[in-house]
Amino acid sequence: DGGITQSPKYLFRKEGQNVTLSCEQNLNHDAMYWYRQDPGQGLRLIYYSQIVNDFQKGDIAEGYSVSREKKESFPLTVTSAQKNPTAFYLCASKSTLNTEAFFGQGTRLTVV
Amino acid sequence: QQQVKQSPQSLIVQKGGISIINCAYENTAFDYFPWYQQFPGKGPALLIAIRPDVSEKKEGRFTISFNKSAKQFSLHIMDSQPGDSATYFCAASPAFSGNTPLVFGKGTRLSVIA
Repeated sequence: DGGITQSPKYLFRKEGQNVTLSCEQNLNHDAMYWYRQDPGQGLRLIYYSQIVNDFQKGDIAEGYSVSREKKESFPLTVTSAQKNPTAFYLCASKSTLNTEAFFGQGTRLTVV
Repeated sequence: QQQVKQSPQSLIVQKGGISIINCAYENTAFDYFPWYQQFPGKGPALLIAIRPDVSEKKEGRFTISFNKSAKQFSLHIMDSQPGDSATYFCAASPAFSGNTPLVFGKGTRLSVIA
């Protein structure tokens, strides 16, 4: 069953803590993306990776970090430097041969 | 990144009516314009997309109208149904620049009432 899997679905973080959101895809896509969704703000790009071992900052990269050690995986770490991390986080992937981007089901992060 | 401006922010339509959502873009390098549909608690899914070589694309009850000179495109949902109640995002990207990320509008929350 091909697709993008994000885990966990819900995540709670204490202030000052780093947390890592998982994103795995078995679509053999080269590119992967992380977006943040806030009410009324649409989808804002955090980081993206077009190839293994390479990634670029998006519009709101401050307070986040990523790695791309494997084609299938693109984890996002929300660091303590991110002052307002409560949001819905979406991972997406895309093939170079196709214009369609596929999204995971999202992770809802809440700071407690 | 260049913006994609989407309106209205929210929309209420009677069952059977037409829902219209509009988007405008600035970057003339954009040549791929998808619309995504998102239900609460789920990830967005591609609904329909258009390239600028056509002015209209229709798939079932969903139609994209595209005006290249005005740099505007819109989604029309005919015979709107309660099951269409969702958030809709327009987006844009340069299609032939590899894996350049999509730029999204801020979304329109559609409610179809019986």
